[in-house]
Amino acid sequence: AQSVTQPDIHITVSEGASLELRCNYSYGATPYLFWYVQSPGQGLQLLLKYFSGDTLVQGIKGFEAEFKRSQSSFNLRKPSVHWSDAAEYFCAVGPYYGQNFVFGPGTRLSVLP
Amino acid sequence: DTAVSQTPKYLVTQMGNDKSIKCEQNLGHDTMYWYKQDSKKFLKIMFSYNNKELIINETVPNRFSPKSPDKAHLNLHINSLELGDSAVYFCASSQDGDRAAFFGQGTRLTVV
Repeated sequence: AQSVTQPDIHITVSEGASLELRCNYSYGATPYLFWYVQSPGQGLQLLLKYFSGDTLVQGIKGFEAEFKRSQSSFNLRKPSVHWSDAAEYFCAVGPYYGQNFVFGPGTRLSVLP
Repeated sequence: DTAVSQTPKYLVTQMGNDKSIKCEQNLGHDTMYWYKQDSKKFLKIMFSYNNKELIINETVPNRFSPKSPDKAHLNLHINSLELGDSAVYFCASSQDGDRAAFFGQGTRLTVV
């Protein structure tokens, strides 16, 4: 069965510091990978997605993620965090269509001024 | 203009009641979804409709029934509400079943 783990439940960084959120997955076929952000009281917003090709994917709001097949990882990074980045971040994996689309448990990001 | 809108935003109801949550998208997408996010923030897909046809139906009690009157609307009706149904329900839409979906702001359902 496919699964997604996000090892860090809560991360706190200072504004301006770099950020890396970890995501590991278990999937039997070619994975399609996503990162979403959820601000308090809001729905999810897609940050970026990976289907194929270049393993370093650029997203919105200055985020990027790198797909590493050998490590079954799809970590999210940002070189300099802004206070507005404080939110919950979800990694997800699944087929492009159909069932078995799975979200990770989320990582809550707090940003110190 | 809100791309995916859900109503109501908050819903408090007693056990045993029947309630509906409405969802509308104005993006012209052909696929709509319902997701459930529990108190621990676990997010799970419940249903997906493509062009008014059900294409995903995860393991969800049959007390939950989605209804899609047209491509732009996907409503969720819940019968005989239980305490465990308390959660945030998100509607989403996408084009061609692309998982990169646009989400609504959620409906927080509390069953007392």
